[in-house]
Amino acid sequence: GAGVSQSPSNKVTEKGKDVELRCDPISGHTALYWYRQSLGQGLEFLIYFQGNSAPDKSGLPSDRFSAERTGGSVSTLTIQRTQQEDSAVYLCASSFRVPGRVTNTGELFFGEGSRLTVL
Amino acid sequence: EDQVTQSPEALRLQEGESSSLNCSYTVSGLRGLFWYRQDPGKGPEFLFTLYSAGEEKEKERLKATLTKKESFLHITAPKPEDSATYLCAVHLFSSGSARQLTFGSGTQLTVLP
Repeated sequence: GAGVSQSPSNKVTEKGKDVELRCDPISGHTALYWYRQSLGQGLEFLIYFQGNSAPDKSGLPSDRFSAERTGGSVSTLTIQRTQQEDSAVYLCASSFRVPGRVTNTGELFFGEGSRLTVL
Repeated sequence: EDQVTQSPEALRLQEGESSSLNCSYTVSGLRGLFWYRQDPGKGPEFLFTLYSAGEEKEKERLKATLTKKESFLHITAPKPEDSATYLCAVHLFSSGSARQLTFGSGTQLTVLP
């Protein structure tokens, strides 16, 4: 598709279980971001990928959170031993590098998110 | 610490009643300021980028302006379909972090018919 695709759109899990959230960015976008949005809150940065490498993991809230990106495309965010406070909408976004510049544009293209509910 | 604050948190307008949303920031090295619109159950959708004080951008009933400390999103004669949460974000000259967008918590706009 033309946009950022995320799956699953909804996930209900029990406390202590592991979950995987998937993001398929726009083709050709080299940068990929994961954000978290809790009810009524702004977007909280989690991690940023440039290609397959993650130069900034500083937003991951704990070592239960990890993410990878393969082939410069699809990314998976994994949450181990989920806790109730992990309940949120996890948003993925991608962006492109402006030709001739070393940085990515700040215009992000977001998916519709994965809503995670931990019971 | 870099901060982005949006006000008001919520705004209810009658159709046709113009108003403004505010985004104030305390950051150094601003590379750009962005406005996004978010509908319920959707991801944010890009609206505008502003790079320097005095710059203005317009799209339909929306106009975004930027000063050295804040940005305004002016909504002229709004319609019910303008109802959404409006988010602003700042893009910083990197201090070593690639955390390129810092978002405010948004203004939830409701336009009543």
